[in-house]
Amino acid sequence: DAGVIQSPRHEVTEMGQEVTLRCKPISGHNSLFWYRQTMMRGLELLIYFNNNVPIDDSGMPEDRFSAKMPNASFSTLKIQPSEPRDSAVYFCASSLAGVGEKLFFGSGTQLSVL
Amino acid sequence: GESVGLHLPTLSVQEGDNSIINCAYSNSASDYFIWYKQESGKGPQFIIDIRSNMDKRQGQRVTVLLNKTVKHLSLQIAATQPGDSAVYFCAENTDDYKLSFGAGTTVTVRA
Repeated sequence: DAGVIQSPRHEVTEMGQEVTLRCKPISGHNSLFWYRQTMMRGLELLIYFNNNVPIDDSGMPEDRFSAKMPNASFSTLKIQPSEPRDSAVYFCASSLAGVGEKLFFGSGTQLSVL
Repeated sequence: GESVGLHLPTLSVQEGDNSIINCAYSNSASDYFIWYKQESGKGPQFIIDIRSNMDKRQGQRVTVLLNKTVKHLSLQIAATQPGDSAVYFCAENTDDYKLSFGAGTTVTVRA
C-alpha cells in the first residue's frame, strides 16, 4: 500500500496566485481530512470528508480556501488568492471509519507564499 | 528522561535509556487517544492508540498509560534509539471524528 499521496511536496508562489494541493487517500478509506501545520498553531483541522461529502469545514480559515472530493480517490485543497500568512505545511490524512479511528497522514505539501 | 506535557516541549534522553513523554488532555469526555511520531520533513506517523476503557496498552518498545482521573496520558519508549528522535504528539478524540492534537514534544536522543 502506497499510503496517502500528496502533491506537490513543495510549492512556492507569489501572493495573489492560486494554489491547488492534491491528495490521494488510501484505497478503501472513506474518511479524508485536510490539516494545516504551523509552528504557532500546531496541527489544525481544516475540513473533513466522509464518503466524499464535506461534513465539517468549520476549520477552513476564510472563503479563500476551498476543498473538493470529486471521488473516493482524489481530493483538492485550493487557496485563491494566496497570502503570505497561508505559508504552512498542509497534510492530507485518511482513515477507514473516521470516528475514533487512527489517521494515516501523507508527507505533506510545504507551501511558501512570497 | 521525562517531560511534563506541554510545559516542557523538549526531552533529551541518552541512547538506551527509557523515555517518558507526558500529555495532559482537556476533555473528560474524550474516549480515544493516539500518539503520533513526526520526523523532520514527514507527516505524523501512528505509534499507538488507547481507548478510555483501558489504562494501559503495550506495543513494540512502547507503552501508553491513561489516567482518566487526572486526564493524563503518557508514552513510554523502552531502550530509546537514535531513530526515536522526532516530535511526538498526543491526540484526543474530542468529537465524533475530530482529533485534537497537542503542541508536541521534541525528543532528542544523545549517542
